[in-house]
Amino acid sequence: GQQLNQSPQSMFIQEGEDVSMNCTSSSIFNTWLWYKQEPGEGPVLLIALYKAGELTSNGRLTAQFGITRKDSFLNISASIPSDVGIYFCAGRSGGSNYKLTFGKGTLLTVNP
Amino acid sequence: NAGVTQTPKFQVLKTGQSMTLQCAQDMNHEYMSWYRQDPGMGLRLIHYSVGAGITDQGEVPNGYNVSRSTTEDFPLRLLSAAPSQTSVYFCASSSDRHEQFFGPGTRLTVL
Repeated sequence: GQQLNQSPQSMFIQEGEDVSMNCTSSSIFNTWLWYKQEPGEGPVLLIALYKAGELTSNGRLTAQFGITRKDSFLNISASIPSDVGIYFCAGRSGGSNYKLTFGKGTLLTVNP
Repeated sequence: NAGVTQTPKFQVLKTGQSMTLQCAQDMNHEYMSWYRQDPGMGLRLIHYSVGAGITDQGEVPNGYNVSRSTTEDFPLRLLSAAPSQTSVYFCASSSDRHEQFFGPGTRLTVL
């Protein structure tokens, strides 16, 4: 089956630093989604990507759909304490298939 | 719009008991799904539905049943709870653009 490798598994950074994380797949995806999950809550959709090479921003967050369609990247600029949480990538293979494959998440800790 | 709602938020069961986790969405989404989230395992798909009357198995369906009698509701039934089913359960619904929206989760403990 499809597998998603998300890295890094965890990050501990200082407030104000930029953050990068990525997901790579063993197969091609037609949609990439990035979610954030805070403790005790459900995942919240941050950014959705639909085309290879697409670069989309949501405030201080920027995500890219890799040209090979097998990877995606999420960057957070000038991190703040409320960025703390687990960030998940998810991919969809395409067509009428609604099912998503999820990465195992990147735990982000921001030190004020 | 309330989005995706789940009840209860917390539940403790004894081994062998049955229960139903409720999920509802008010976005008129055809696709709905159930996941369980365990430490180190990420989100794993239990069952999903592409519309009323249609359900299918996901990655980890054993011990769970679902039905979809309406577009809005997608309950998950545990037939005979086991300690291995202790987990956090999330329901999600998907827009036509395949963006999945999650509920707040049900935290289940089976003793």
